[in-house]
Amino acid sequence: QKEVEQDPGPLSVPEGAIVSLNCTYSNSAFQYFMWYRQYSRKGPELLMYTYSSGNKEDGRFTAQVDKSSKYISLFIRDSQPSDSATYLCAMSKNDYKLSFGAGTTVTVRA
Amino acid sequence: DGGITQSPKYLFRKEGQNVTLSCEQNLNHDAMYWYRQDPGQGLRLIYYSQIVNDFQKGDIAEGYSVSREKKESFPLTVTSAQKNPTAFYLCASTSLGQGGNQPQHFGDGTRLSIL
Repeated sequence: QKEVEQDPGPLSVPEGAIVSLNCTYSNSAFQYFMWYRQYSRKGPELLMYTYSSGNKEDGRFTAQVDKSSKYISLFIRDSQPSDSATYLCAMSKNDYKLSFGAGTTVTVRA
Repeated sequence: DGGITQSPKYLFRKEGQNVTLSCEQNLNHDAMYWYRQDPGQGLRLIYYSQIVNDFQKGDIAEGYSVSREKKESFPLTVTSAQKNPTAFYLCASTSLGQGGNQPQHFGDGTRLSIL
């Protein structure tokens, strides 16, 4: 079993819809949680970074962490075609190393 | 602009050949990392370094080697011992010791293919 599980999709939504992405993990030692966005043939770009359980909002993006359920989510409101990308969850155990999910490919249709 | 520069963008390897991928950062970050990305598998850690002249193996170090002679530079050599080198290689860096793990920042990758 992988430490971090993420449904690879693909996920296709119409413009303006809410995109919902999630990851589950098995190791309760994970303390830091990140979401990255990766466009084709580019490196991952940090979207959200959280430490504690709860919600964190940044513009159209909301990250949720539920440590008791070992579950994290990313919501994208009012999705745009420019949001079409692969979204990677990542997490760390305070050892300066990251464990990644497989990534979910999202397409927002105009 | 501060950032991480990877070169070349595309690289082709012949049978039995070693190739070296370059990674340079001007973010004054302490730690640097190399990942391999294959379709549907996410990122897997090859090697990482937290200080000059020191580095550690990641999850898939076999067939790879690194050096860290300068804080800014962390080149990766894909040796002929790596039998399946075709992949997208990503370099990342982060700062250490700021009260917890800071997120890693990535370069734009090198795509390596076999000729």
